[in-house]
Amino acid sequence: KAGVTQTPRYLIKTRGQQVTLSCSPISGHRSVSWYQQTPGQGLQFLFEYFSETQRNKGNFPGRFSGRQFSNSRSEMNVSTLELGDSALYLCASRGLNTEAFFGQGTRLTVV
Amino acid sequence: AQKITQTQPGMFVQEKEAVTLDCTYDTSDPSYGLFWYKQPSSGEMIFLIYQGSYDQQNATEGRYSLNFQKARKSANLVISASQLGDSAMYFCAMREGTSGTYKYIFGTGTRLKVLA
Repeated sequence: KAGVTQTPRYLIKTRGQQVTLSCSPISGHRSVSWYQQTPGQGLQFLFEYFSETQRNKGNFPGRFSGRQFSNSRSEMNVSTLELGDSALYLCASRGLNTEAFFGQGTRLTVV
Repeated sequence: AQKITQTQPGMFVQEKEAVTLDCTYDTSDPSYGLFWYKQPSSGEMIFLIYQGSYDQQNATEGRYSLNFQKARKSANLVISASQLGDSAMYFCAMREGTSGTYKYIFGTGTRLKVLA
């Protein structure tokens, strides 16, 4: 069974640009959640999608948005990038009563 | 207030010895789940072990066991017979909410270094 796949693995963007990250969950998993990990703030919850609907949202500005498609794949978008957005972005998928399985993350560097 | 507290930023352990990584949590929800994840330098979070709030026995998974003390709100991870490959960041996490609206809260992590 394939794991959670995140693309791209590494990304370098300049301030003011926007970026879209992709996450393909484990087959059959309908829940996808996103996390931002930085050395200073640790792992912080961004949002969770379940069956194309956002179910939970963390405390992040509106520049951070996401969506989920009918095949459960999810994308996360960050607009007007700031230096502080540099982080490892982790996606996790979950079945109905399973633990969260994480992808390898996308390491975003904003310069 | 921190909902998940890991008080050990870093730990050293000799190869083949056991090590305990501390985790305390805070919740008023009677139904919750506690998890431990390992994050090697590659970045991927690897699930290790799960303990449900209603589970009567401590969870075990191979060399990993969870010392669950509900009254103290602690969920310490015990790694027996440490191996060099155990060197990584370890995160304690709590799942709150109901199915479909789960939210995971992570601690700040403990960096474990296994010495040869």
